[in-house]
Amino acid sequence: QVTLTESGPALVKPTQTLTLTCTFSGFSLTNHGMCLNWIRQPPGKALEWLALIDWDDERHYSTSLKTRLTISKDTSKNQVVLTVTNMDPMDTATYYCARAFSYNDAWILDSWGPGTLVTVSS
Amino acid sequence: DIQMTQSPSSLSASVGDKVTITCRASQNIRTFLNWYQQKPGKAPKLLIYATSTLHDGALSRFSGSGSGTDFTLTISGLQPEDFASYYCQQSYSFSLTFGGGTLVDIK
Repeated sequence: QVTLTESGPALVKPTQTLTLTCTFSGFSLTNHGMCLNWIRQPPGKALEWLALIDWDDERHYSTSLKTRLTISKDTSKNQVVLTVTNMDPMDTATYYCARAFSYNDAWILDSWGPGTLVTVSS
Repeated sequence: DIQMTQSPSSLSASVGDKVTITCRASQNIRTFLNWYQQKPGKAPKLLIYATSTLHDGALSRFSGSGSGTDFTLTISGLQPEDFASYYCQQSYSFSLTFGGGTLVDIK
């Protein structure tokens, strides 16, 4: 059974760096054709994809946020970490991690964590 | 980035209705289009991938079609548990993008 859980601070101050951890089980990120994604959703708004890291350590970032994002993995701990620098109130959102499998060279997000709400406020 | 535009942004329907949601890509994405369902306070769930392939556990009243830039999600015979938000998402580009969502609520 695949499970994913996001963890991190519920409240950060403007200009601080946010560090979020996704801890997963039921699969390995060393398996060919797997990747882990981060997606966020501001309250009442749409989903926004942020970043992914795959089994081969290849990383891709949202074009609009790439200068602020870093994604990394620790396969021995089954964890993926996302850092977001220079946080702003506009970054207030529920942050999700999601596993994806490769289908015809496309990533399909098939398992999601429950999400963690991060509020940016002084 | 590839922009995904969904319409309508919301709709009201009754149990038993047939509902169609459309998604348009800003460029040709072939059939690299996926649909997710999200209920309030919950994470999204994969419904359909590669335009028309039903994910495990998704019910057959959900169907998808399209190619290139225009896609549709159809719910044939809306059920009470289908009242939710639906999002399309392209996986043609490594920079994945979602549509703005469609809220399906009870008329």
